[in-house]
Amino acid sequence: EAQVTQNPRYLITVTGKKLTVTCSQNMNHEYMSWYRQDPGLGLRQIYYSMNVEVTDKGDVPEGYKVSRKEKRNFPLILESPSPNQTSLYFCASSPLPSKETDTQYFGPGTRLTVL
Amino acid sequence: GEDVEQSLFLSVREGDSSVINCTYTDSSSTYLYWYKQEPGAGLQLLTYIFSNMDMKQDQRLTVLLNKKDKHLSLRIADTQTGDSAIYFCAEETGANNLFFGTGTRLTVIP
Repeated sequence: EAQVTQNPRYLITVTGKKLTVTCSQNMNHEYMSWYRQDPGLGLRQIYYSMNVEVTDKGDVPEGYKVSRKEKRNFPLILESPSPNQTSLYFCASSPLPSKETDTQYFGPGTRLTVL
Repeated sequence: GEDVEQSLFLSVREGDSSVINCTYTDSSSTYLYWYKQEPGAGLQLLTYIFSNMDMKQDQRLTVLLNKKDKHLSLRIADTQTGDSAIYFCAEETGANNLFFGTGTRLTVIP
């Protein structure tokens, strides 16, 4: 079954404690992306990756890091989380964007609370 | 999970109006969103509507919400070739969960 998985689904942590949210897709997609979703603000892109070892900043990258060492995985790293990073996070993947790009596939979301 | 459904494809002629429809199942929705995805780009928030509203207009975009039927639509007036993209509706529930539709690919024919 084609899918995007994220772990953990729920996480409560404290300020300053490094954490990683994993994202994995089994569709051999080149393009992967992280978004955060906040009430009334909709979805905002944090980072994206066009392929292995190719990553770039989205609209709200501050306080986040990503890596793309393998095609299937795109972890989101918060080196020193702060309460303003409390949010709902979505990972998404799609084939390499082209003129006729396919739809994006979304993970189930990770709800992060930073105390 | 909740069910958010959209038709997969829509084609319109340049200059006509486009109407993209979305149905959802959770009656505790707070916000409903429309996103646009262009080739090579991430999702772009187009507009949103709070669940106690039934209409919102923003330039060429009109959002209609029928909460009784759990039906949301996005109307694009005077559709242009630059509007060709995939449009996602998303429902935010009272628990701050977000559920996406499958996306509707809009093709604008010159």
